[in-house]
Amino acid sequence: DAGITQSPRHKVTETGTPVTLRCHQTENHRYMYWYRQDPGHGLRLIHYSYGVKDTDKGEVSDGYSVSRSKTEDFLLTLESATSSQTSVYFCAIGDRLNTEAFFGQGTRLTVV
Amino acid sequence: GEDVEQSLFLSVREGDSSVINCTYTDSSSTYLYWYKQEPGAGLQLLTYIFSNMDMKQDQRLTVLLNKKDKHLSLRIADTQTGDSAIYFCAESGSGGGADGLTFGKGTHLIIQP
Repeated sequence: DAGITQSPRHKVTETGTPVTLRCHQTENHRYMYWYRQDPGHGLRLIHYSYGVKDTDKGEVSDGYSVSRSKTEDFLLTLESATSSQTSVYFCAIGDRLNTEAFFGQGTRLTVV
Repeated sequence: GEDVEQSLFLSVREGDSSVINCTYTDSSSTYLYWYKQEPGAGLQLLTYIFSNMDMKQDQRLTVLLNKKDKHLSLRIADTQTGDSAIYFCAESGSGGGADGLTFGKGTHLIIQP
């Protein structure tokens, strides 16, 4: 299995609080991604990174920010969590030469 | 925008072949992928096909690509209970996957004994 670790695996938080999810890789892949998975929507891209300190928005980026200060870590922050951000969040890594994306195990976030 | 469509459910008998279909709209797709997701788990890459190929076979899995009709299929031969999962079709777009993949909503494969 590709070396991707997401933390935490489960979190319950209150509306209005900030939340940070972490993705850590040991594969030295250049590209890292955050997706959310919701019933009826499949997976949708939130943000992605194409290198250290290089990030860009995906399809559903509103309310989220990301940071990548080193190759192995990609952080997703919900500035002020809302109930609509209750979801399962997946991190993925990829190398453009192979164009394959490997996924982490997911973080189940519940905003109450 | 880009769109990937799949049927939501497929029910097959154990031992039969399963064929999961997918259509996509982005004609510049470089790679097309099939992922498998078991309950409570992440997505597992099953196989992928480059857009200039029309078929790829890997053990029990056969991928067929009709680029003219923008139609992709995944055939699982001799379907087993362990194949029960959600299968996602995804395409990489002209960015080659560097800017993320576009996923279908997933097909639930249900195995009947």
